[in-house]
This record gives sequence, structure tokens and C-alpha cells, in this order.
Amino acid sequence: GENVEQHPSTLSVQEGDSAVIKCTYSDSASNYFPWYKQELGKRPQLIIDIRSNVGEKKDQRIAVTLNKTAKHFSLHITETQPEDSAVYFCAAYQEGSQGNLIFGKGTKLSVKP
Amino acid sequence: EAQVTQNPRYLITVTGKKLTVTCSQNMNHEYMSWYRQDPGLGLRQIYYSMNVEVTDKGDVPEGYKVSRKEKRNFPLILESPSPNQTSLYFCASSLGAGRYEQYFGPGTRLTVT
Repeated sequence: GENVEQHPSTLSVQEGDSAVIKCTYSDSASNYFPWYKQELGKRPQLIIDIRSNVGEKKDQRIAVTLNKTAKHFSLHITETQPEDSAVYFCAAYQEGSQGNLIFGKGTKLSVKP
Repeated sequence: EAQVTQNPRYLITVTGKKLTVTCSQNMNHEYMSWYRQDPGLGLRQIYYSMNVEVTDKGDVPEGYKVSRKEKRNFPLILESPSPNQTSLYFCASSLGAGRYEQYFGPGTRLTVT
């Protein structure tokens, strides 16, 4: 089955710097990759997603890139702000399969003012 | 307001005392699932349901039961809780499996002593 590895497990940056979180997946048939953000004490919420027919997707300060050949995808946050501090989860899914969304173990991002 | 609700939000119980965590959604979603979140392990799926009367095991189903008698409700049952089931539990719903945005409930923090 699918396995998703996420790195780093913790990341600390200064406000205004960029942050990058990387994930690798094992099943080459996976074709949908969402990212969820979980603020402290809150529920996870979808922030951006990408499908395998697209190499990059941007939404204001966040972007996701996908390298299908290498089977990895990354979340990029530019001009980080304290409110970006949260745990971020990547996930992978194979559309049309009987499988389910498989999550990475999460990255705790801390943005220092 | 579109939402997923869970009850109770916090529960402390003793080993072996049966308990039920309720989950309800008002978005007419067909797909519902339960996750547990443990430090360093991310979100792991316990059970999921593709529709009424259709349920299946996720990655960590041992010690749990579910039922889906109505579209809106998906309770999680622990027949004989053990300390290793101490965790943060999230219910989620979506239009379908995987490629649709998962809407998470607020979470239930369970402690089994």
C-alpha cells in the first residue's frame, strides 16, 4: 500500500523567511496530493492540493510542487508570518482506487517574530 | 452552518468501560471516517464509510467498531477501551473518498486509565 514520508518533523524559521516541507510517496499510481494545516488545539483544514497532471500550484503565499518521476512533492510558504505556525500534514491518494487518503506524520512549523 | 460535530470533546474513562463517541455532519456527505492522532504518528485512519450501511477498516481498526445507520451519523464505539487507545480522535466527512476535501470535526480527546 501507499506510504508517505514527511520531512522535517519540526521546522523553525524567522518571520519573513521561507519554509519548505517535503514529502515522498511510494505508490506511483497516486495522483492527488493535498496539504492540511492544523493550528494548535484546532482541527486539520485543507490549505492547498495538487493533482498529478500539474507540476505546480500557487495560492498567494503558499505553493505546492510535484515531481512525479521522483515521487515527491513539497509545500512552500513564502514571507512567513506568526499565524503560519502550525502542524502541516501532506497526504497522497490514488483516484479511482479503493484506497484512502494516506497522511504523512506531520511537520510542526514555528515562525518566530 | 456546514459542520462536523463530535461528542464528547473530552473523556476520561477506565479500562474496559464501553464508550461511544458520536459524529454528525450536516453537509449530506456520503463519505465519513475516523482518525486517531498521536504525537509523531500523524493521522491514522481507523474506519471509514462510503455510504449508509457500508463501512470498512482503515489502517488501525483493532479495538474499535463503527456503524452507519443514517447518512449524517457515524459513531465510534470502543467496546473495551485500553490505555493504548488514549489519543485524540477526529471524525471527518467529505463528498467522497480521497480526492475530496475532508472536513474534520473538532476532535475528542480520550484518556483511558
